[in-house]
Amino acid sequence: NAGVTQTPKFRILKIGQSMTLQCTQDMNHNYMYWYRQDPGMGLKLIYYSVGAGITDKGEVPNGYNVSRSTTEDFPLRLELAAPSQTSVYFCASSGRTDTQYFGPGTRLTVL
Amino acid sequence: DAKTTQPTSMDCAEGRAANLPCNHSTISGNEYVYWYRQIHSQGPQYIIHGLKNNETNEMASLIITEDRKSSTLILPHATLRDTAVYYCIVFFSGSARQLTFGSGTQLTVLP
Repeated sequence: NAGVTQTPKFRILKIGQSMTLQCTQDMNHNYMYWYRQDPGMGLKLIYYSVGAGITDKGEVPNGYNVSRSTTEDFPLRLELAAPSQTSVYFCASSGRTDTQYFGPGTRLTVL
Repeated sequence: DAKTTQPTSMDCAEGRAANLPCNHSTISGNEYVYWYRQIHSQGPQYIIHGLKNNETNEMASLIITEDRKSSTLILPHATLRDTAVYYCIVFFSGSARQLTFGSGTQLTVLP
């Protein structure tokens, strides 16, 4: 099992550009999550999903959108990138045990 | 979710046991104690979790006091690769929930 994979690893965006962060898990987990981590800070939940077709907002959803068309994939869309979205983004998934397993992260810089 | 208190930093000699304490005095009866670690901005890595009983896996042991108000994570033979920030998280199981990562303990394993 690869677990949770994320692409790209790094990305630099200009203000106003858009992009999609990809997240895939191969553990057949129902729950998936997107967190962001600013330098020296803890993780904050952006969006989460309890299954295909079902998503909900977390603590900091503004400026982001998600979709969940399959169990495996949970992409995060940034529209109109802003410097405040410079962060490291982590995707996670959990199954029956509620233990969340994290991907390696995407480092995003908005200039 | 109950709050947790951890020391800011700890050192441990390589090859020795690392004992990381955590206080969670307001924990409720159905909240689990989870431990994660994060190595230099990599994705958080799940270590172990427990409810009442002591737990052991290939990575670590978790000792929970009888009153459940505190716990200790034990890395039996610390290596340099165990240098990381360790997070103790109290988590109510049963639904998609945000993991709240506090400040954690910076464990430095010394050669």
